[in-house]
Amino acid sequence: NAGVTQTPKFQVLKTGQSMTLQCAQDMNHNSMYWYRQDPGMGLRLIYYSASEGTTDKGEVPNGYNVSRLNKREFSLRLESAAPSQTSVYFCASSPGRLGGYTFGSGTRLTVV
Amino acid sequence: GESVGLHLPTLSVQEGDNSIINCAYSNSASDYFIWYKQESGKGPQFIIDIRSNMDKRQGQRVTVLLNKTVKHLSLQIAATQPGDSAVYFCAADTGTASKLTFGTGTRLQVTL
Repeated sequence: NAGVTQTPKFQVLKTGQSMTLQCAQDMNHNSMYWYRQDPGMGLRLIYYSASEGTTDKGEVPNGYNVSRLNKREFSLRLESAAPSQTSVYFCASSPGRLGGYTFGSGTRLTVV
Repeated sequence: GESVGLHLPTLSVQEGDNSIINCAYSNSASDYFIWYKQESGKGPQFIIDIRSNMDKRQGQRVTVLLNKTVKHLSLQIAATQPGDSAVYFCAADTGTASKLTFGTGTRLQVTL
């Protein structure tokens, strides 16, 4: 039982490059989330998908796009990476309202 | 919206002592709260949750207390062990699409 799987674990990008972070969950959860974690700032919500077929902006959506490909998969795309997007990115899933989140192990992204 | 804050960025306790980590939230409509533990290089891991119709909930060596009057919750860890060393986050459910708002985290250091 893998839970939430994120790929890749590490990535270095040059400014202006694009990439997609992949996330998949095998718990049949309805809701999925992308967070970024920066030192001293906790976890900030980028985008979320309350259910298959829907996506919504979170606290810090600028510079990102998402796709809820199916119930299992939720990807995060950086179209033109900037140094300010250097961070650790976490994907999470939840069965829904009043359900705890299960987090992936994170993607450490550095933009140079 | 909701904002969540932890009272101390770092807490140092001796092995075997009890630890208390505090958290404050701003939105009185928040009705679900979770504590997460994050070890270095890993994603946050669910510890315990509590709903607003409860004041106290106990798990294995952990207790969460909720005071809705002053919008405060705490995590108590009994007989703290070296394996408890981590960053602890509290999170509050704003009631919108099960989005959690996270605090900035308290680093618990266990000394021998």
